[in-house]
Amino acid sequence: NAGVMQNPRHLVRRRGQEARLRCSPMKGHSHVYWYRQLPEEGLKFMVYLQKENIIDESGMPKERFSAEFPKEGPSILRIQQVVRGDSAAYFCASSPSLGGSGGPDTQYFGPGTRLTVL
Amino acid sequence: KQEVTQIPAALSVPEGENLVLNCSFTDSAIYNLQWFRQDPGKGLTSLLLIQSSQREQTSGRLNASLDKSSGRSTLYIAASQPGDSATYLCAVVYNFNKFYFGSGTKLNVKP
Repeated sequence: NAGVMQNPRHLVRRRGQEARLRCSPMKGHSHVYWYRQLPEEGLKFMVYLQKENIIDESGMPKERFSAEFPKEGPSILRIQQVVRGDSAAYFCASSPSLGGSGGPDTQYFGPGTRLTVL
Repeated sequence: KQEVTQIPAALSVPEGENLVLNCSFTDSAIYNLQWFRQDPGKGLTSLLLIQSSQREQTSGRLNASLDKSSGRSTLYIAASQPGDSATYLCAVVYNFNKFYFGSGTKLNVKP
């Protein structure tokens, strides 16, 4: 069973361009989470999605950022009109369910996409 | 607001030493707590997960403890090795799978 896949691993964009980050969850996982890690900092939650639904986007910047997890295909994190402050590592995680008792299950993390904005 | 703090931010020890990494959190109503390892330029590897009802978990040379009432967790690494050099992240889960991460402890084990 392949782990969580993210691509590209490295992405370079100029200011004002769009960045599209892809995440393929582990097989059988229907929950996807996106996190952002700035240099020398921990990971910060951005958004939690299930298939075709955004469950919690409380960590997403209100402008320029959007995420989707379509019925078919990978989850996409889209950043429009990138700025230098968007440079970071973006990690995706997936989990199979909310857990047997209805609580959170463990998350499996992908290798991350490192975005550099010039 | 949930905050997770890790101390120290960096640690350098000679090979063979036992060491303790600390994690504290402000809201004690956690669901579970997880310790991860992150190697430079890489993703996260889950090391240990402690449910809120548990006091500790062990895996090989690693032992993690949890004290919900005081809002603390420790990761104990026995007989450290150069291969243990990495950043160790503590993550607290409250509900709906939302992880709150500390900033990490960067460990260097010198041969």
